[in-house]
Amino acid sequence: DAGVTQSPTHLIKTRGQQVTLRCSPISGHKSVSWYQQVLGQGPQFIFQYYEKEERGRGNFPDRFSARQFPNYSSELNVNALLLGDSALYLCASSLQDRGHNEQFFGPGTRLTVL
Amino acid sequence: AQSVTQPDIHITVSEGASLELRCNYSYGATPYLFWYVQSPGQGLQLLLKYFSGDTLVQGIKGFEAEFKRSQSSFNLRKPSVHWSDAAEYFCASGSQGNLIFGKGTKLSVKP
Repeated sequence: DAGVTQSPTHLIKTRGQQVTLRCSPISGHKSVSWYQQVLGQGPQFIFQYYEKEERGRGNFPDRFSARQFPNYSSELNVNALLLGDSALYLCASSLQDRGHNEQFFGPGTRLTVL
Repeated sequence: AQSVTQPDIHITVSEGASLELRCNYSYGATPYLFWYVQSPGQGLQLLLKYFSGDTLVQGIKGFEAEFKRSQSSFNLRKPSVHWSDAAEYFCASGSQGNLIFGKGTKLSVKP
């Protein structure tokens, strides 16, 4: 079975540009969460979506937005990119949105902002 | 606020030696606790998890962890380290879709 997939693998943008990252969850998983991992740090929670509704949001500015589609795939959008947005963006999927709920992580998208 | 602390940034052990990675959490109730491993260029792989019950948890690749409420700790252990265990290890806490991660401990293995 395919795991969580993310695209693209790598991305280079310049300050002020906008970027869209994509995530396909494991088949049957209805919850998708997004994390930002800056070099040398642990992942930080950005968003969780379940059944196309936002269920949680971390401490990130409004430049960050996301959505989930009927097939449970998800997109993360970041507007007006800053140098500090350079990071590995991880997507995780799980069966449900709460409880004894293991999250399965994708390989991530490496975003570099110049 | 909920937090996870991993006091050791980098640990080096010899192959075959035992390993203990420390993790402390801050949470009012009994948290859900996890250990993940991340190899370079890879995503996160779950090693083990604790929700309730037996405080000694067995995971994959020969790892185990012990939940100690009195010390607010969830330390990861392995009796004999292999060179392939070299990676970064993250402790995390949370019950819903938003995990709180520590900053990670990088493990190097000497031959």
